[in-house]
This record gives sequence, C-alpha cells and structure tokens, in this order.
Amino acid sequence: QVQLQQSGPGLVKPSQTLSLTCVISGDSVSRNSGAWNWIRQSPSRGLEWLGRTYYRSKWYNDYAVSMKSRITISPDTSKNQFSLQLNSVSPEDTAVYYCAEGWSHEFWGQGTLVTVSS
Amino acid sequence: DIVMTQSPDSLAVSLGERATINCKSSQSVFFSTNNTTQLAWYQQKPGQPPKLLIYRASSRKFGVPDRFSGSGSGTDFTLTISSLQAEDVAVYYCQQYYTTPLTFGGGTKVEIK
Repeated sequence: QVQLQQSGPGLVKPSQTLSLTCVISGDSVSRNSGAWNWIRQSPSRGLEWLGRTYYRSKWYNDYAVSMKSRITISPDTSKNQFSLQLNSVSPEDTAVYYCAEGWSHEFWGQGTLVTVSS
Repeated sequence: DIVMTQSPDSLAVSLGERATINCKSSQSVFFSTNNTTQLAWYQQKPGQPPKLLIYRASSRKFGVPDRFSGSGSGTDFTLTISSLQAEDVAVYYCQQYYTTPLTFGGGTKVEIK
C-alpha cells in the first residue's frame, strides 16, 4: 500500500518561497513507470494540477504553464521523497496543497493548508 | 489546455435513486497508443483528499462499490451512482490525464433529497 506523507509550513509570507515535501512509502520515487505530482485546491481555482516529476532512465519534469517561472519539483532518491518549491508567492497561492502519485491519482497525501499572509 | 466541463453543479437525489453526473472535455482524451481513454472520476468528502473511483473512463478501482460506474468516450463522459447511499454525499470531479496540464472539472455536489 502506497502512502504519501506531506510536511511543510502552513504559513508563508508574500514574496517568499513555499516549500513542501512528500515522503513516499510502499513505492519508489525512481520507479520507471511512476509519476509524482503536486496539486492544489482553493475555492476560487478548484483543483489545479501544478506539475510532476518522473523517471524514465533520466529525470523529467512537467509544469503548468502558469507556474513555470516560479515552480520547481524535485526528487530526492536518498530519502524516497519529492518536493515542491513555489517562489514569489502571493495571497492568490493560498490553497490546500496535495502530493499525488501516478497518471490518474490513486494515492494522495493528506493535504497541507498553506496560507500566504504577512 | 483541455477544459473539463461538468454538469450539473449540484444534484439532490433520494436515497436508493440514481445519480448521473456528466463531464465534457474540450478535445478527445483517447490515447490511441494503448487504446485507452485517459479520464478519471474522483469523490471528495470534506477535509479529505479526492479519492479515485474510476480510471480509463470506465474501470472501477479495486474496492469501489459497484454502484459506481463510468461510461462514455471521445469527449462525453458520465459517472452514475445506481442507488445512492448516505455515504455517497460528496463532491465528484472528473479529470483528464491525456496531456499536460492535467485538468479537472469544476465538481458536482451530490446531496440527499
């Protein structure tokens, strides 16, 4: 059974960097058919896919165009986890952030409410 | 981007009756390489992440009750709850995973009449 455990701060100041981590158990971030996503949810935007990382003999990333200049999703194979960094946040980035596996997402993290406020 | 449009926004159904939710994609989500439709349905209850019910448009995830079924092809899809139970009160979302950005519908809230 795959489990995803998220961690990271729930409050970030405007213009700073949002950083979240998702630890994987029961699977490997390096699995050749896997994909590891970050998704957020807010009342104004609904469910919004942010991006993913995956390994196919080398590492690849796909990002939502709207995020591309601010986002980095990176794997850490030594800790079997992957991370989200979102730079230059504003109050519009306030949302519940989820990590999720796969192409369709059978397994999700528990969610982290991130509030952007001074 | 592929736009996913769900209808209705909300629906109230009597216990034991059928609930039908529609989802339309702005372009086909059929992946010809492996002959599959890249469309999923999720159920979300308050305070929880979405739960995968259906993938490939009509394949029920293991453990999901068989009152849940998915159908459709091309750009038009349906999630049917054949006999609504109290525990089915939730918001339901469709999602295409055919291409990035992966996109979700706006959700359909299902309530008991």
